[in-house]
Amino acid sequence: GDSVTQMEGPVTLSEEAFLTINCTYTATGYPSLFWYVQYPGEGLQLLLKATKADDKGSNKGFEATYRKETTSFHLEKGSVQVSDSAVYFCALSDPGTGGFKTIFGAGTRLFVKA
Amino acid sequence: GAVVSQHPSWVICKSGTSVKIECRSLDFQATTMFWYRQFPKQSLMLMATSNEGSKATYEQGVEKDKFLINHASLTLSTLTVTSAHPEDSSFYICSARDFGDTLEQYFGPGTRLTVT
Repeated sequence: GDSVTQMEGPVTLSEEAFLTINCTYTATGYPSLFWYVQYPGEGLQLLLKATKADDKGSNKGFEATYRKETTSFHLEKGSVQVSDSAVYFCALSDPGTGGFKTIFGAGTRLFVKA
Repeated sequence: GAVVSQHPSWVICKSGTSVKIECRSLDFQATTMFWYRQFPKQSLMLMATSNEGSKATYEQGVEKDKFLINHASLTLSTLTVTSAHPEDSSFYICSARDFGDTLEQYFGPGTRLTVT
């Protein structure tokens, strides 16, 4: 079945450092890909998404590009802030085969130090 | 943006009792709602998908008689944990899909259940 694998955390960075969180997926169809963020004590929020190959999702300085050839959707940010400390989930949804279900990766916890 | 609420945000109950958790879409109609379970420092595990007016579809390994789901209206779904046991203690999260939006889900803040 469909699955999502993302790098284990926690990831600890200093403020203004470059962030990469790796995410790869397996899917039988043509999924849409997502990054969700969960801030401490809050629910999940959609951070960005991409619906087809080579699409780039971006939001709040975060970017991720849908790479079909490498089945990847790595999250990047050029300069992180303390307020970016959260858990980040890579996810996919395949309406064609998954019935609108969303499959989540394990999550990567990010700590940003001042 | 679309808002999903959950009630209660946390609950403590005794072993053997039942607990109901509500999930509401506040400013949109949700034809489909999802219930997830999240263990500490782990990912979300989909428990079931509920469509308004029909029976929920449970994921493999989820006991439908233990986790009763009712999607009675386009803005409300409930999850009842029946005869709760300590191993049912977890963080339960619902999400809702806006009618007409095939991709995006909006998540509730979650309910922390502790069974003593």
